Amino acid sequence: NAGVTQTPKFQVLKTGQSMTLQCAQDMNHEYMSWYRQDPGMGLRLIHYSVGAGITDQGEVPNGYNVSRSTTEDFPLRLLSAAPSQTSVYFCASSYSTLTLNRNEQFFGPGTRLTVL
Amino acid sequence: RKEVEQDPGPFNVPEGATVAFNCTYSNSASQSFFWYRQDCRKEPKLLMSVYSSGNEDGRFTAQLNRASQYISLLIRDSKLSDSATYLCVVNQGGKLIFGQGTELSVKP
Repeated sequence: NAGVTQTPKFQVLKTGQSMTLQCAQDMNHEYMSWYRQDPGMGLRLIHYSVGAGITDQGEVPNGYNVSRSTTEDFPLRLLSAAPSQTSVYFCASSYSTLTLNRNEQFFGPGTRLTVL
Repeated sequence: RKEVEQDPGPFNVPEGATVAFNCTYSNSASQSFFWYRQDCRKEPKLLMSVYSSGNEDGRFTAQLNRASQYISLLIRDSKLSDSATYLCVVNQGGKLIFGQGTELSVKP
């Protein structure tokens, strides 16, 4: 099992560019989510998905899009990058939202994004 | 007011010390509670879940007070390897809400 994988590990963008952060898991988890982490802010939920074809917004969804066409993949798209989106992005998965009370979330290693 | 608030830290303690972290949450409908550990520039990992009756895992004890909307983590006999940031996490309707984290540095 590779667990949760994210690519790229590092990325530098110019303001206005678009890009997609990739996230994949091989644990057959239904629940997947994206967070951003900024200094002193903890992790903030961007978008999440309870299964293929279903996505919903978290705390800070503006400027980001997601889709979930398969159970394994949950890409995060930045539509027009802004310096305020400079952050570390973590993807996470867990077995099911119904059992989120008991099941831990497994995190990917993160993508460090800088927008100039 | 933030939904989940933790002690600001950092905590600098000698090896062998006992250290306690506190966390409060604002939504009384929160369903479940966790402590995660995050090492520098790495992904967070689950340390332990927090149950209403309180629970212990070796040197770590977690407590929950639903009436006061308060969660705590106690680390006894701290080790150098305990140095990390500790994140209080609350499940609200299937969304995990993270506190900002409290940094712990254990010195020889």
